[in-house]
Amino acid sequence: EAGVAQSPRYKIIEKRQSVAFWCNPISGHATLYWYQQILGQGPKLLIQFQNNGVVDDSQLPKDRFSAERLKGVDSTLKIQPAKLEDSAVYLCASRTGGNEKLFFGSGTQLSVL
Amino acid sequence: RKEVEQDPGPFNVPEGATVAFNCTYSNSASQSFFWYRQDCRKEPKLLMSVYSSGNEDGRFTAQLNRASQYISLLIRDSKLSDSATYLCVVKRNDYKLSFGAGTTVTVRA
Repeated sequence: EAGVAQSPRYKIIEKRQSVAFWCNPISGHATLYWYQQILGQGPKLLIQFQNNGVVDDSQLPKDRFSAERLKGVDSTLKIQPAKLEDSAVYLCASRTGGNEKLFFGSGTQLSVL
Repeated sequence: RKEVEQDPGPFNVPEGATVAFNCTYSNSASQSFFWYRQDCRKEPKLLMSVYSSGNEDGRFTAQLNRASQYISLLIRDSKLSDSATYLCVVKRNDYKLSFGAGTTVTVRA
């Protein structure tokens, strides 16, 4: 079974630039999450989708972060403009409706210089 | 107060030793509890769910104490491959998941 796919694996940008991350969840997984993990901390939820609808985006810094899942399958997360404190690993996770187990992608490591 | 708190460690133990650590949570109405394992520079993976009566999975034992609002993980007969960060995850009564910052375990030969 294919896992959660994320790209790119690494990204280095300068502050005030824009960046986008892509995630393709496991086939059939209706729930998709984007997490931010800063070094030494646990993952912090940015946004949760159920199919193509947003379930929870209460911790998403909406002045600079946006995410979409237009067709209820793959998703993109964008940061515009980036700040130094956005340096982190961005993890995408998915799960089926009847299972609480989260499957994570390998993440995108973002460095903002 | 953080929703989920863990002793960051590191717990440095020799092979074959037993190591145990706890995680405390602040929301008394939390519903479900999990331990995830995260290897260095890798993604988290579910290690085990934690049931009210406690449960074992091989060398791993998880316990839940609702009265004191903590869960624990015990690893018996530690292997080098058990070296990782163990993340405590709590599902609140609003179905949101909260992750702890993790407990780092290093098993030495």
